[in-house]
Amino acid sequence: EVQLVETGGGLVQPGKSLKLTCATSGFTFSTAWMHWVRQSPEKRLEWIARIKDKSNNYATDYVESVKGRFTISRDDSKSSVYLQMNSLKEEDTATYYCTLTTRVYPNWFAYWGQGTLVTVSS
Amino acid sequence: DIVMTQGALPNPVPSGESASITCQSSKSLLHSNGKTYLNWYLQRPGQSPQLLIYWMSTRASGVSDRFSGSGSGTDFTLKISSVEAEDVGVYYCQQFLEYPRTFGGGTKLELK
Repeated sequence: EVQLVETGGGLVQPGKSLKLTCATSGFTFSTAWMHWVRQSPEKRLEWIARIKDKSNNYATDYVESVKGRFTISRDDSKSSVYLQMNSLKEEDTATYYCTLTTRVYPNWFAYWGQGTLVTVSS
Repeated sequence: DIVMTQGALPNPVPSGESASITCQSSKSLLHSNGKTYLNWYLQRPGQSPQLLIYWMSTRASGVSDRFSGSGSGTDFTLKISSVEAEDVGVYYCQQFLEYPRTFGGGTKLELK
């Protein structure tokens, strides 16, 4: 069974940093492409980052609104993906989900974690 | 970026009736391989989104055949036949043709 468990959310002040972790199991993590998607308090969904697998040089991609502030990374030995969030803004307040694509599920998000809530406020 | 625009439902929908949710994309989602890269998700209250439909019309594993997807390159419809209580939630369309992967704003379904 595929499992994705996000942790690391919380209340943080504007301008500060936070690192999210997504621990996974139940699939071949090393060949999966991992993604982060966030959902605003207004319930809008926004894809924010992707990291490819080793054979694709761990290439990353980001939505424009987080470029230069957020960094996605992975540790294949721990089957985990991370999201380092710097210079946080109030508009980054959201529930953050990790999800994946694989050779079996290449063009859709078949599995989602339960999400972790990040609140950016002074 | 590809903009996804969803229509609203005339809520609440009577139980047992059908409901159709529309979605438009600002660019054709028809890939050169012949597949249309449009997905549908349902987010039930208090839950994470779950995949319903991919490649515009293919039901995900375990999804009821009451759900069907159709459309063209830019105009899409998710039809729910005989709406049930478990169908309540917010429906999202998503394009998977280009980065950033973008979602529609969501369409809420309420049951009468």
